[in-house]
Amino acid sequence: DIVMTQSPDSLAVSLGERATINCKSSQSVLYSSSNKNYLAWYQQKPGQPPKLLIYWASTRESGVPDRFSGSGSGTDFTLTISSLQAEDVAVYYCQQYYRNPITFGQGTRLEIK
Amino acid sequence: EVQLLESGGGLVQPGGSLRLSCAASGFTFSSYVMSWVRQAPGKGLEWVSAISGRGDSTYYADSVKGRFTISSDNSKNTLYLQMNSLRAEDTAVYYCAKSVIASAGPNWFDPWGQGTLVTVSS
Repeated sequence: DIVMTQSPDSLAVSLGERATINCKSSQSVLYSSSNKNYLAWYQQKPGQPPKLLIYWASTRESGVPDRFSGSGSGTDFTLTISSLQAEDVAVYYCQQYYRNPITFGQGTRLEIK
Repeated sequence: EVQLLESGGGLVQPGGSLRLSCAASGFTFSSYVMSWVRQAPGKGLEWVSAISGRGDSTYYADSVKGRFTISSDNSKNTLYLQMNSLRAEDTAVYYCAKSVIASAGPNWFDPWGQGTLVTVSS
């Protein structure tokens, strides 16, 4: 199985500041023939299901604010929130869909400092 | 609008059984892989099982293989999860989730249902 490891486990950032969450996979999730990274990011707020933010590692889902961006390739990925808003308080998960079983990172809790 | 509505959760004793349902609408149900993903209280997300759009291919996490059975009824646009030999560690909110790309391979999920809580306890 591909193990997904996020860092940090929790993060406190001031409003308007940048938040950076990292995700590392135990093996590459870059499919060479398509040159696409099979990685997604989700946001989960308390009492709600996860919400898709990013797929193909860097493609923002429609309707997601442009302060959210994804980057990285191979085994190392980053979710960046350029200017933290109060409504961004949530737990964030990365997910690989390179092969079954689909696996998620353990989550990163983002709070306001 | 795509909608997924789970039902069937509840309290069950260890060793018992439960069947979850997920009613889907707003898309061609038979064209997409559908999955169950669970979340234990205060914990992260764990993929449980998936089924192809035609229902001819199924996939399971090792933690539930041999105990859980995923199925679908394309005439009712409904996904099921039959859970047998339940254990305390199966306690979780169970979400159904739609794969985004209409193909048989794994991909990302959107949307997710609101979830149904399964509690395994004596």
